[in-house]
Amino acid sequence: GAVVSQHPSWVICKSGTSVKIECRSLDFQATTMFWYRQFPKQSLMLMATSNEGSKATYEQGVEKDKFLINHASLTLSTLTVTSAHPEDSSFYICSAIGDLAKNIQYFGAGTRLSVL
Amino acid sequence: SQKIEQNSEALNIQEGKTATLTCNYTNYSPAYLQWYRQDPGRGPVFLLLIRENEKEKRKERLKVTFDTTLKQSLFHITASQPADSATYLCALARTSGTYKYIFGTGTRLKVLA
Repeated sequence: GAVVSQHPSWVICKSGTSVKIECRSLDFQATTMFWYRQFPKQSLMLMATSNEGSKATYEQGVEKDKFLINHASLTLSTLTVTSAHPEDSSFYICSAIGDLAKNIQYFGAGTRLSVL
Repeated sequence: SQKIEQNSEALNIQEGKTATLTCNYTNYSPAYLQWYRQDPGRGPVFLLLIRENEKEKRKERLKVTFDTTLKQSLFHITASQPADSATYLCALARTSGTYKYIFGTGTRLKVLA
């Protein structure tokens, strides 16, 4: 149980285009979802916290208009990287929490974004 | 500012030995601390959670200690196996208001056969 599916796993796009990444909790309802960014050999950097039906809470320094997050249902959150540029190339990972009392994050497999 | 430090260098140990990984933090009062395993190109996988009022937690070959006075957690893998080779991340969380997690940079463990 507690599986989080993230799609796509790898995407290459041209500079200036937008890319959407999906994060789905397959067998539980996610009260909260998180979006992280990870650079090689570095830690996960929290970008935003997303709750179903409400606006995402972005971390300081993360551009809201650049990284659009939509949490339309209890099982789906999407991250759209708008007008992507090469510096946006990174590994993006989502996670979800089902039972707040357990405080366990279940992570997706990540999405490798390469912007040419 | 809040800071989490893990062994920055990779840790190589011989199969069968106990691996000990360290997580130190400053300027933070976490409600609990978690350890995750991350394999290359994959998302982290949850291993153990320990709360601020707990000193030790065990799960099979894994043991975690949490010293809020020293602001340190130790993560032990006993009878280590080559399959345990991965990067191990500690994460601190505080549950005041919204949940927020801060991850350490991780320690890369390699168990030699």
